Amino acid sequence: AQKITQTQPGMFVQEKEAVTLDCTYDTSDQSYGLFWYKQPSSGEMIFLIYQGSYDEQNATEGRYSLNFQKARKSANLVISASQLGDSAMYFCAMRDSGGISNYQLIWGAGTKLIIKP
Amino acid sequence: DGGITQSPKYLFRKEGQNVTLSCEQNLNHDAMYWYRQDPGQGLRLIYYSQIVNDFQKGDIAEGYSVSREKKESFPLTVTSAQKNPTAFYLCASSLRWGGSSINQPQHFGDGTRLSIL
Repeated sequence: AQKITQTQPGMFVQEKEAVTLDCTYDTSDQSYGLFWYKQPSSGEMIFLIYQGSYDEQNATEGRYSLNFQKARKSANLVISASQLGDSAMYFCAMRDSGGISNYQLIWGAGTKLIIKP
Repeated sequence: DGGITQSPKYLFRKEGQNVTLSCEQNLNHDAMYWYRQDPGQGLRLIYYSQIVNDFQKGDIAEGYSVSREKKESFPLTVTSAQKNPTAFYLCASSLRWGGSSINQPQHFGDGTRLSIL
């Protein structure tokens, strides 16, 4: 069954250091997409970055990059030069090509990231 | 600017009362979703709608109802049958449903916090 696993419930990182947030996924489909979202304490969900299963390059968006290792079914989010404003919950999500999930997003449990000054 | 508007931001429900959460989008998206988020937890899908006049139950639909009479609007009613409604409710939309939607992120409103009086 489709599943997203985020093994780090919480992380503390020093400001300006790079951060890696782990995400592993499980799907039997060949075509799928992986998403990362940020949820600050105010509650809104902010879309950060997308990686498609057929994309040959790792996705990048500003300070965010996705370390995509297809054989390991891993899609880790890397935040370079962390800032205090990066403190938030981070969610990994996947959409595959249908079946039981019917194109819904499958969500991980999230990682709470706290940046220390 | 296009976006998703949820109202109210805070809502209080009395015992035995039904309450309705509003969700409006002007993104011209076909698909809309309602999620529930409990403190420190991930997102759970309540209902989703692929297109106007159509909707399906998600993982936790019991005690909730929806309608999709207009493309822009997807209100959620929390009925008295929902015995533990205290949670954060997020509405989202995406451009379309189905096989061409794999790479589409969901866009979210700012959420409604529902509490029991």
